[in-house]
Amino acid sequence: AQSVTQLDSHVSVSEGTPVLLRCNYSSSYSPSLFWYVQHPNKGLQLLLKYTSAATLVKGINGFEAEFKKSETSFHLTKPSAHMSDAAEYFCVVSLNTGFQKLVFGTGTRLLVSP
Amino acid sequence: DGGITQSPKYLFRKEGQNVTLSCEQNLNHDAMYWYRQDPGQGLRLIYYSQIVNDFQKGDIAEGYSVSREKKESFPLTVTSAQKNPTAFYLCASSMSGPPDEAFFGQGTRLTVV
Repeated sequence: AQSVTQLDSHVSVSEGTPVLLRCNYSSSYSPSLFWYVQHPNKGLQLLLKYTSAATLVKGINGFEAEFKKSETSFHLTKPSAHMSDAAEYFCVVSLNTGFQKLVFGTGTRLLVSP
Repeated sequence: DGGITQSPKYLFRKEGQNVTLSCEQNLNHDAMYWYRQDPGQGLRLIYYSQIVNDFQKGDIAEGYSVSREKKESFPLTVTSAQKNPTAFYLCASSMSGPPDEAFFGQGTRLTVV
């Protein structure tokens, strides 16, 4: 069965330092993977997606993620955190079974201090 | 502007009542979804619909019902059979077929009083 594990429930960084949010997946098929961001009491916004093209995926707001099949990982990174990055981040795997069903990780809350 | 509109933003329900959450999209998407979000549990799929007049149960459909009479609309009813309905509910839509970005509404926070 497809699943997603986000290894940290909370990550704290200082403004201007790098961000690393970790995600591991399991999938019987070639997966499609996404990172979404959610600000408090808001809907989710797509940051980036991997769909079997380039393994290094660039997204919005300076985020990027690298698909590593050998490690079954899809970690999200950003070189320099900004205060506005404080939010909850979800790693998501899509079941490629003819109809898109999204399986969400439990989320990582990113805290950014001045 | 194209997007998904959920209403109301906040909803209070008395025990034993049914309530209906609205979801409308003008993105011309075929697929629509309802998710429930609880703290520390991510999003869980309640129901989804691939085309008009067709929908399937997700992982936690008990105590919920939906309809898809129009492509643009996918209302969710939380019935009195749902034992723990207090949660944040998110509606989403996407193009059917190959994996594609899902667009989300702003959510409805339902509280039982």
